[in-house]
Amino acid sequence: GAGVSQSPRYKVAKRGQDVALRCDPISGHVSLFWYQQALGQGPEFLTYFQNEAQLDKSGLPSDRFFAERPEGSVSTLKIQRTQQEDSAVYLCASSGSGEQLHFGNGTRLTVT
Amino acid sequence: QKEVEQDPGPLSVPEGAIVSLNCTYSNSAFQYFMWYRQYSRKGPELLMYTYSSGNKEDGRFTAQVDKSSKYISLFIRDSQPSDSATYLCAMSANEGKLIFGQGTELSVKP
Repeated sequence: GAGVSQSPRYKVAKRGQDVALRCDPISGHVSLFWYQQALGQGPEFLTYFQNEAQLDKSGLPSDRFFAERPEGSVSTLKIQRTQQEDSAVYLCASSGSGEQLHFGNGTRLTVT
Repeated sequence: QKEVEQDPGPLSVPEGAIVSLNCTYSNSAFQYFMWYRQYSRKGPELLMYTYSSGNKEDGRFTAQVDKSSKYISLFIRDSQPSDSATYLCAMSANEGKLIFGQGTELSVKP
């Protein structure tokens, strides 16, 4: 497909479990962003990659959150020892040089 | 206080009405201003993009930016039921990390 693809669409995890969320950006897009969107709120920035380099991770809420993009394409957001407050929609977005962000439809994470 | 403030609504209008949505912000470094539309269980999609101050029109949509007042607006003319969605303002100091408002939920009734 031509858009940003995220998987899984829905994830239920028991508190304390580790989860991994995947993002397939639009082919050739250099920049990749992760955002967290709580219910009824706007997306909040988590981290930013340019190719494989993680240039900004200032939005990651704790050291339980880790993101990688080892080959400059697919990215994975990992959350260790999930907590209830981690329940949210996790959005991935990508952009080409000088272009606007294209968002995926997100992964809805529910921690029980 | 958040960097970007947006009234969450909900806002309900009859079909054909003019809708006015707005955001205020505190960071004078913001130069890029955007409006996104988000349907339920979907990702945000870009509606309007403005650099610095001024107006921009695209069909039924008009975006206005007043940097002196740190205030941005989106106007929707002849609103349609298909416009029912959450509207998010977003802004950035560079063409990268975006700061979003809370989003305004709009419902256009037939």
